[in-house]
Amino acid sequence: AQSVTQLGSHVSVSEGALVLLRCNYSSSVPPYLFWYVQYPNQGLQLLLKYTSAATLVKGINGFEAEFKKSETSFHLTKPSAHMSDAAEYFCAVTFTDKLIFGTGTRLQVFP
Amino acid sequence: DGGITQSPKYLFRKEGQNVTLSCEQNLNHDAMYWYRQDPGQGLRLIYYSQIVNDFQKGDIAEGYSVSREKKESFPLTVTSAQKNPTAFYLCASRGTRRETQYFGPGTRLLVL
Repeated sequence: AQSVTQLGSHVSVSEGALVLLRCNYSSSVPPYLFWYVQYPNQGLQLLLKYTSAATLVKGINGFEAEFKKSETSFHLTKPSAHMSDAAEYFCAVTFTDKLIFGTGTRLQVFP
Repeated sequence: DGGITQSPKYLFRKEGQNVTLSCEQNLNHDAMYWYRQDPGQGLRLIYYSQIVNDFQKGDIAEGYSVSREKKESFPLTVTSAQKNPTAFYLCASRGTRRETQYFGPGTRLLVL
């Protein structure tokens, strides 16, 4: 069965520091992978997606993620955190008509 | 302006009452979805529809009902059988198979 695991329900970084949010997936077929961001009391906004083209995917707001098949990972990174990056981040996988979400990682950014 | 709208933003339900959450999209998407979000549990799929007049149960369909009479609209009814309805409800739509799902702004349902 397909599944997604996000390691760390909370991550805290200082402004200007590297952001690393971890996502591992389980899939018996080549997956499509997504990262979404959610600000308080809002819907989910797509950050980036992997659809079997380039393994390094660039998204909005300076985020990027690398698909590593050998590690079944799709970790999200940003070189320098900004206060406005504070939000909840969801990794998701799809291989059919449905998305399977991880439980989310809340990112806090300290000045 | 293309997108997904959900209304109302906040909804209050009394005991034993059915309430309906609205979801409309003008993206010409075939597929639409309803999710429930609770703190620390991510998003759970309630119902989805891939075509007008057809829909399938998701992982937590008990206590909910839907209809899909128009391509643009996918309302969700939270029935009195749903004993713990307090949550944030998100609607999404998708174009072609395996492509991106786009989300509405959400409706927060509270019980009086």
